[in-house]
Amino acid sequence: DSGVTQTPKHLITATGQRVTLRCSPRSGDLSVYWYQQSLDQGLQFLIQYYNGEERAKGNILERFSAQQFPDLHSELNLSSLELGDSALYFCASSVAGQVSNTGELFFGEGSRLTVL
Amino acid sequence: SQQGEEDPQALSIQEGENATMNCSYKTSINNLQWYRQNSGRGLVHLILIRSNEREKHSGRLRVTLDTSKKSSSLLITASRAADTASYFCATVSDTGRRALTFGSGTRLQVQP
Repeated sequence: DSGVTQTPKHLITATGQRVTLRCSPRSGDLSVYWYQQSLDQGLQFLIQYYNGEERAKGNILERFSAQQFPDLHSELNLSSLELGDSALYFCASSVAGQVSNTGELFFGEGSRLTVL
Repeated sequence: SQQGEEDPQALSIQEGENATMNCSYKTSINNLQWYRQNSGRGLVHLILIRSNEREKHSGRLRVTLDTSKKSSSLLITASRAADTASYFCATVSDTGRRALTFGSGTRLQVQP
């Protein structure tokens, strides 16, 4: 158990809909990272938050947004869903804000999104 | 886009044999990490090697890093059926966006 909690574990929805994925980081970790894993794109970095502020941005679509709340949990919002958004969405956490300083990331078990 | 590319994409060996996976990356790095993922599960960190290190050991794992060739290898000795998983290298660039960027992974199957 990594200590990172993601909900829901599975989600099935229709094209055009909006969903919210939730992540609670390990106790004491200030950084939260979101990754998307799909068969054709592999594991793609989406966005990082550190102590409530956006720290780094990756290949995140404009239809997607995220935030980190004062209690450090994070939400990833996916809107106007398309079939191609079907994927595993992972949240990871670390203590520090710079990955180069912090070393390893601790991953949750992921939220599997299926868009029909 | 992927920073690292693992080779081979898939590897099947017998229990007790050694498994070697290779990773090549494109930009200069601060550190390189290896992660393991059981099917459909979260990733688990295995080992980190910094750019000024050439070799590191952890239990049955041995990682090497050649920054001149921009490559790394992960060796799992005396493999077990429980080692069956996908293995990913991940790098942290020392310039630009300092996110942890993952390669495409090697699927390892260890036959009992």
